[in-house]
Formats: sequence, C-alpha cells, structure tokens
Amino acid sequence: DAGVTQTPRHEVAEKGQTIILKCEPVSGHNDLFWYRQTKIQGLELLSYFRSKSLMEDGGAFKDRFKAEMLNSSFSTLKIQPTEPKDSAVYLCASRTGGNYAEQFFGPGTRLTVL
Amino acid sequence: GDSVTQTEGLVTLTEGLPVMLNCTYQTAYSTFLFWYVQHLNEAPKLLLKSSTDNKRTEHQGFHATLHKSSSSFHLQKSSAQLSDSALYYCALRRGSALGRLHFGAGTQLIVIP
Repeated sequence: DAGVTQTPRHEVAEKGQTIILKCEPVSGHNDLFWYRQTKIQGLELLSYFRSKSLMEDGGAFKDRFKAEMLNSSFSTLKIQPTEPKDSAVYLCASRTGGNYAEQFFGPGTRLTVL
Repeated sequence: GDSVTQTEGLVTLTEGLPVMLNCTYQTAYSTFLFWYVQHLNEAPKLLLKSSTDNKRTEHQGFHATLHKSSSSFHLQKSSAQLSDSALYYCALRRGSALGRLHFGAGTQLIVIP
C-alpha cells in the first residue's frame, strides 16, 4: 500500500516567493495534518482537516500559510510570501478517524528560503 | 489546554545501558498516549500507544506504562542499542472523535559505543 506522498522533497525559494507543497494521504484516511518541524520548535501543527473540512489551524501561521484540501486524496500548503524563518521541514500526515488510530507521516519537504 | 512535557531535550547513553525517556501530560479529558520515533532523514513512525491505566505496552524492545495518577507515560528499554539513536516524541490525544495529537518537544537519544 502507498503511504503518504509529499512533493517536492526539497525546495529552495527566494525571500518573497510563493511556494506550494503537495501531499497525497493514504487512501481511505479521513484526517490530514500539516506540520512544520524545526530543531528548536519541534513539531508545530499548521492545519488539520477531517473529510476535507478544516478543523483547526495553527493560529500563529494564519497570515502567510494556507492549506487546502481539494479532494480527499490531495492537499496543498501554500506559503506566501516566504521568509527565511520559514526554512524547515514540512510534514504531512494522515490517519483514519478512530480515537486510537495511528498517524502516518510522509517523508517531508525540506524548504530553504534564502 | 492539553499539553505534553518531555523534560530532556538530549539524552546520551552508552550502548547496553537502560533507556528512560520522560513524558508527562496535562489534560482534563480521557486520553490516548503515543510515542513516535524518528530516525535521521526519515518520517516519524508510531512506536507505542496506550489508553489503559497501569497497563504495560511493549513494541520493538521498548515499553511504557500509562499512569493516570501521575499523568505520565515514560518510555523505557532495558538495554540501549546503537540503532535506537533517534528523535522520540510523546503525544497526547483526547478521547474524542475530533482529537488531534499534541506533541511534546521531543527527546533526541544518542547511543554511543
């Protein structure tokens, strides 16, 4: 079975650019998450979707970060405009809706903003 | 609000010694606790999970027991291996259908020969 897929794996952007990261969750999973991972802050939640509806977004990320779930098998994270402090690994994860459900993570996109 | 505390940011151990990574949590709701492990350049993966008070759960040589009286879910292993070197996250989920995971800050475990 295919796991969570993320593209691209690496992205380099100039300050001020718009970048779009992509995620395909595990087929049949209802919940999808976007996280930012840094050494200092660890895992920070950016967005949480259930059945394509936005359930929660990380308050601190609202202004320049926008996640969308266009259909049940595809999600995007747009960062506009990018800033050097956005350099991090962006992880997508999915799970079924059960309380005890395992969350499956994708390999991540490493973003570098110059 | 819900929160998870991992007190050690970095733990360095000699191979063969026991491992104990601390995890405590705060929530006013029924809970599910998880440990995720992330090896270098890989995605985080589930290691252990529990929702039953005082029951030991084990996987891949690691074990943890959820103690609701002390709000703890410490991760242990009797003998560290070099391959255990990784980043470990403790996470909490409320016992509701809409609960999302609340992650601790993570503990980097380095096992040396």
